[in-house]
Amino acid sequence: ELKVEQNPLFLSMQEGKNYTIYCNYSTTSDRLYWYRQDPGKSLESLFVLLSNGAVKQEGRLMASLDTKARLSTLHITAAVHDLSATYFCAVDTYTGNQFYFGTGTSLTVIP
Amino acid sequence: GAGVSQSPSNKVTEKGKDVELRCDPISGHTALYWYRQRLGQGLEFLIYFQGNSAPDKSGLPSDRFSAERTGESVSTLTIQRTQQEDSAVYLCASSRPGWGRNTEAFFGQGTRLTVV
Repeated sequence: ELKVEQNPLFLSMQEGKNYTIYCNYSTTSDRLYWYRQDPGKSLESLFVLLSNGAVKQEGRLMASLDTKARLSTLHITAAVHDLSATYFCAVDTYTGNQFYFGTGTSLTVIP
Repeated sequence: GAGVSQSPSNKVTEKGKDVELRCDPISGHTALYWYRQRLGQGLEFLIYFQGNSAPDKSGLPSDRFSAERTGESVSTLTIQRTQQEDSAVYLCASSRPGWGRNTEAFFGQGTRLTVV
């Protein structure tokens, strides 16, 4: 069974600090997705990483993918309160029947 | 429509009753997914539809759960004889095919089901 693990599960950080969220997965996949979920809301697509070495940046968030290590990172630079949310990574397989989601990382940025 | 639409947004039902949840995917998206999210948890895959192919039902937790989709349009998820453990947010997502595989999934707002 494909497993997707994120760490940390919970992250509390001060505004202005940097931190990285890790996403490890257990099978061969060349596509990885990052989503954001605000409390009581649905999932919003943040990044789509489609190949080994892919790096994408949007504002204070940067995502990267290393398919050989089966690892993706979501780096937060100079965190602000608006980034407080739960972040999920997801992978799909070559059969494409479903997206396998990580456990989620609940991020709280403290002013 | 502009996005994935789900209805109702909230549903409170009595234990033992049947419920039907609806999902209207983005136009042109041939793939449709249902996921379940319990409070404070991750996403649990339920079922996947791709065009007119047979659906992947491998995630349905019991025979009380069923889903249908007509062509590439609306899907309904039906839960019969609801139990309290069915209480969760049911999320629908759709995606379009690209180079033989589906691309990123776009999610609806979800239906929050509460079984009392």
